[in-house]
Amino acid sequence: GAGVSQSPSNKVTEKGKDVELRCDPISGHTALYWYRQRLGQGLEFLIYFQGNSAPDKSGLPSDRFSAERTGESVSTLTIQRTQQEDSAVYLCASSLADTVLWYTFGSGTRLTVV
Amino acid sequence: AQSVSQHNHHVILSEAASLELGCNYSYGGTVNLFWYVQYPGQHLQLLLKYFSGDPLVKGIKGFEAEFIKSKFSFNLRKPSVQWSDTAEYFCAVDPTGGGNKLTFGTGTQLKVEL
Repeated sequence: GAGVSQSPSNKVTEKGKDVELRCDPISGHTALYWYRQRLGQGLEFLIYFQGNSAPDKSGLPSDRFSAERTGESVSTLTIQRTQQEDSAVYLCASSLADTVLWYTFGSGTRLTVV
Repeated sequence: AQSVSQHNHHVILSEAASLELGCNYSYGGTVNLFWYVQYPGQHLQLLLKYFSGDPLVKGIKGFEAEFIKSKFSFNLRKPSVQWSDTAEYFCAVDPTGGGNKLTFGTGTQLKVEL
């Protein structure tokens, strides 16, 4: 597609429920990143995928968070047993090469845990 | 801890005023530096970046930033702001100078009044 597409744009969920967030990168972009932005804070790196290599999961805050990506296509970020502190905007970015110099961000998913 | 600091959280200016937004980082060695902008209702967009060469970097829409290595700073400037510059501005650092993860500041909300 023309840009990085994320869905849903907004999600309200009850504490304890699982949620899945989707990111559809720009066609041909081999690298895909997830970031989180909590209110009043900067973006925090969560996870990075590059082609078929093992993902860099170093930013995932707990084992309730996981992400998958098949090849160079769509990625899903799953949060299990959501907590109120998970409320944030979850941003996806993709890039043509394995470098921050070419990031394109999506519009994000605003997650609210009530 | 290593970090990126944006000291101005909210800035209000009149049209035609000059703008300078501060950004300081605490990483040593080679870094890549970025300013991103998020206009209301839109996704994060790259405003400008620095990775080598002339420390005065010019970006889109008349913005520029100066990398001062001795001060660990990368301040964003614009000589004359417009109402359409109302947005949130994020400074970001690639602390490895060629990696794939960014560390972001907390952002500066700029409001330009007519």
